[in-house]
Amino acid sequence: GIQVEQSPPDLILQEGANSTLRCNFSDSVNNLQWFHQNPWGQLINLFYIPSGTKQNGRLSATTVATERYSLLYISSSQTTDSGVYFCAVDTGANSKLTFGKGITLSVRP
Amino acid sequence: NAGVMQNPRHLVRRRGQEARLRCSPMKGHSHVYWYRQLPEEGLKFMVYLQKENIIDESGMPKERFSAEFPKEGPSILRIQQVVRGDSAAYFCASSGQGISGNTIYFGEGSWLTVV
Repeated sequence: GIQVEQSPPDLILQEGANSTLRCNFSDSVNNLQWFHQNPWGQLINLFYIPSGTKQNGRLSATTVATERYSLLYISSSQTTDSGVYFCAVDTGANSKLTFGKGITLSVRP
Repeated sequence: NAGVMQNPRHLVRRRGQEARLRCSPMKGHSHVYWYRQLPEEGLKFMVYLQKENIIDESGMPKERFSAEFPKEGPSILRIQQVVRGDSAAYFCASSGQGISGNTIYFGEGSWLTVV
């Protein structure tokens, strides 16, 4: 099946800093989503982005489908950005999203 | 996403008991997915259902686990004779159509603790 690798595994930021989270995948995809799991365990949809670039406030994402990676940018980070960020993909051959192991982000005040 | 409703949020069961987790999809969604998250791990696919049909159960353990999505009412994930290794967060998700080309939305999860 498709492999999804996220990097770095852990990230510590000072409030106000910017960061880039990476997701590499091993096959072409029909669906790619970024999620934020907050410290209470809730999974929040951030982006549906199988290709191209999207922006939502301080967050933006870019997927280069031909090179099989996606990037999530967080600008002017806030403590509420802390949590685990997951990338999940679907190749279209399956009816399931395959998740990466996540990136744990801690934003310090 | 608040639109996908799961209950209970937290459930404690003794070994050997049954656990039933319920999921109501977002309004207008007929595709439901169950995922399991073990401690310190990502989410793993379990089963994909549409109304009255199991489409893909390739991620379901062969024994003790079952899922349904009846014509009326919520989807149910049932775990019989629970063991400590079943302790996990169980997430339900829904979409208006299949995953390919569509956003899926997750509920807030049900945390099962087996004592």
